[in-house]
Amino acid sequence: AQTVTQSQPEMSVQEAETVTLSCTYDTSESDYYLFWYKQPPSRQMILVIRQEAYKQQNATENRFSVNFQKAAKSFSLKISDSQLGDAAMYFCAYMLGSNYKLTFGKGTLLTVNP
Amino acid sequence: DSGVTQTPKHLITATGQRVTLRCSPRSGDLSVYWYQQSLDQGLQFLIQYYNGEERAKGNILERFSAQQFPDLHSELNLSSLELGDSALYFCASSFSGLNTEAFFGQGTRLTVV
Repeated sequence: AQTVTQSQPEMSVQEAETVTLSCTYDTSESDYYLFWYKQPPSRQMILVIRQEAYKQQNATENRFSVNFQKAAKSFSLKISDSQLGDAAMYFCAYMLGSNYKLTFGKGTLLTVNP
Repeated sequence: DSGVTQTPKHLITATGQRVTLRCSPRSGDLSVYWYQQSLDQGLQFLIQYYNGEERAKGNILERFSAQQFPDLHSELNLSSLELGDSALYFCASSFSGLNTEAFFGQGTRLTVV
């Protein structure tokens, strides 16, 4: 079974600085997708960024970028120029290419200090 | 606003009771997913429907059932409720289901007392 591990239950960053959230996953499949979701206090699950495993290029969405290391099964999220609105729980998730379900990690609670 | 509507937002009920959670997907989305978020289990996939048919099943208890109606809204039925069923239940929708972005609703907070 696929598993997703987020080893940092909590992280903090100063406003305007950069922070990296870690995620590792375990799979024997080659066709899969990886995601980072953000859950602010409003509880809404918001997709931050998505990476297709077959793509070597790391995905980027504005201030958010990933470091996808397929061989190491690592998928970290870098947030640049952190803003107060980035404070939230961040979940790493995996989806098998032929499947429809997301497997989530336990989450990392990010605090942004002014 | 993701466009996915879940009702009710909060629900408090007693053990042994039965509740129904409702989800209206985004306009045009054919696929609906249900997830459970609890403190001890984290976020877990329960079940997925595509255009009225069950497509994938996860860690869904036998006391739970779901369906998707012809107008594509979905309902999650939870029966013989136990204290441990207290959780945040999310619905998500996507156009086709396969490798497409899923948009989440705001969830229904279920408290079993």
